[in-house]
Order: sequence, then structure tokens, then C-alpha cells
Amino acid sequence: DAKTTQPPSMDCAEGRAANLPCNHSTISGNEYVYWYRQIHSQGPQYIIHGLKNNETNEMASLIITEDRKSSTLILPHATLRDTAVYYCIVSSNSGYALNFGKGTSLLVTP
Amino acid sequence: GAVVSQHPSRVICKSGTSVKIECRSLDFQATTMFWYRQFPKQSLMLMATSNEGSKATYEQGVEKDKFLINHASLTLSTLTVTSAHPEDSSFYICSARDAGGRTGELFFGEGSRLTVL
Repeated sequence: DAKTTQPPSMDCAEGRAANLPCNHSTISGNEYVYWYRQIHSQGPQYIIHGLKNNETNEMASLIITEDRKSSTLILPHATLRDTAVYYCIVSSNSGYALNFGKGTSLLVTP
Repeated sequence: GAVVSQHPSRVICKSGTSVKIECRSLDFQATTMFWYRQFPKQSLMLMATSNEGSKATYEQGVEKDKFLINHASLTLSTLTVTSAHPEDSSFYICSARDAGGRTGELFFGEGSRLTVL
């Protein structure tokens, strides 16, 4: 799986958009970009994933650059409950496990 | 959505005893489940891949005789930490992918926190 690079930490004010970047310059053509988050002492929670096109669901939006070498997860209106570690993972859509990096620790402040 | 459930969520045991953790896929079948562990302030590390009806595949550095994995059905995998020691204290998390799903997302259990005294 391609390696990803994320900033170790970010802050965001409650109610504002949180934009979490991820670099994956070695991504291959059949690899998806997955985003998960982990709230303290819980299992990871799936957020969104995409291949080429931008994606949106009830939790977030995923913006993937045209060359697919980077992406941004957008939480449109961050709440205090969005404080968590966010993991960007690149993997083929197959039966393999996901390999977690260090992620970005997002702190949403009042 | 698909749910993966773990039990117990917390367990405290004495050094030298064995502890079993169960991982169930509640509304889908999973031919493969994955076991991770997470030490404080660290990321998740894959321990092993559990295959229904066959032997588990362990990651490098994970002792297969210490971490026994059994995947006897399409909805249940168990991890047994044998002769547990304080250094085995960790957060153990299982995950599974819906074999019949189209999204390919991996679903995670709530985690099981093991404390070995």
C-alpha cells in the first residue's frame, strides 16, 4: 500500500470547517483513499473513501486532486464531538487489512 | 450499517492467565477478520489476519503460540492471549470486511482493553 503523510495535529474552532490534508504521492491506479477516525478509547470509525472523484456523505467531503497525489477531508461544521485522530489510508479495494499511520489529531475547540 | 462487536470491552487478569476476546460480525458474513493492537498514544498495529476455516496469518514479530486465533464460523473470530504478562496490556481491536458488500469498507469493533496485573 502507498504511504501517506498527514500533519500530526490540527485545531479547529467549533462550527467552522475542518480541512484535513493528506499526501499520498506514490498512490497507484487501483488504490482507494480511505478516511477513518478514532475517538479516544474506541475502535476506528469509517468516514468516507474515494478513488478519483470527489465524494460527499453525511459526515464529510473528500476532495482528491486530479493527479491523486493528495486529498483533503472536509468536516463542514466541526463540533466538539469531532475531536479525534483522523487517519488517511491508501489501499486497494480488496480483502487486505488497512495499515494505519500516525494520523492527525484534530482538536475542536469551543 | 454493518456492525462488528467485541466482547469483553474491558478485562483485567493476573499475570500467567489466558484471556479470550471475541469478535462478531452482527449482520454480515466475514471470511476474513483482522486483529489489531494499540498501545497508548500509538497507532493501530496489525497483528494477524484471521481466515474462516483455516490458519491465521501473523505479522512479523507476533508470536502465533501466544496469540491464538480461531475463526470457526463466518461471523466469529476469537483471539486468546495465552499466559498473559503485563507487557501484553493493550487495546485489542478486531475488524472485518463485508464479503458481500460493495463499498469495501472495513468495519471495526469497539475494542477490548486488556490489563494484565
